[in-house]
Amino acid sequence: GDSVTQMEGPVTLSEEAFLTINCTYTATGYPSLFWYVQYPGEGLQLLLKATKADDKGSNKGFEATYRKETTSFHLEKGSVQVSDSAVYFCALSDDKIIFGKGTRLHILP
Amino acid sequence: EAGVAQSPRYKIIEKRQSVAFWCNPISGHATLYWYQQILGQGPKLLIQFQNNGVVDDSQLPKDRFSAERLKGVDSTLKIQPAKLEDSAVYLCASSLAAGGGPRGYTFGSGTRLTVV
Repeated sequence: GDSVTQMEGPVTLSEEAFLTINCTYTATGYPSLFWYVQYPGEGLQLLLKATKADDKGSNKGFEATYRKETTSFHLEKGSVQVSDSAVYFCALSDDKIIFGKGTRLHILP
Repeated sequence: EAGVAQSPRYKIIEKRQSVAFWCNPISGHATLYWYQQILGQGPKLLIQFQNNGVVDDSQLPKDRFSAERLKGVDSTLKIQPAKLEDSAVYLCASSLAAGGGPRGYTFGSGTRLTVV
């Protein structure tokens, strides 16, 4: 069945560092891809999405490109802030949404 | 537009007791999902409804979990009897259609269940 694999955390970076969180997927069809973020004590929030190959989703300085040839949707940000500390989930959607296990990100001031 | 409402926000019960969670999706959303998120893991789909019919309940532990969506609007998820490993956050989500539709999925804040 469909599945999502993302890099294990925790990932610890200094403020203003470059961030990459890797995500690959397995799907039989052509799913939409998402990144969700969960801040401490809060619910899931949609960060960005892409609905077809070569689409780039972006929000709050984060971006990810739907790469069909490598079945990947890596999350990147050029300069992270302490406020970006959270758990990030990669997900795919065909008729329902399937999540990866999550990557905890710690940003040090 | 109002979001997905869930109650209660927190619940603590003893093992072998029963518990019920309630979800009110966004008005007009035909598809409703219940997810279980164990601490440190990603959300896992328990059941998917399309209106008041079940589309997918393959990962629902049917010996103890049940869910219904009467009239295709509100939904309840019940656990009876609860086990320690049921401690988790139970998330409800809705969408206009299966696959998310044009506006995607909206998640509620969840119910945090602790079984002691």
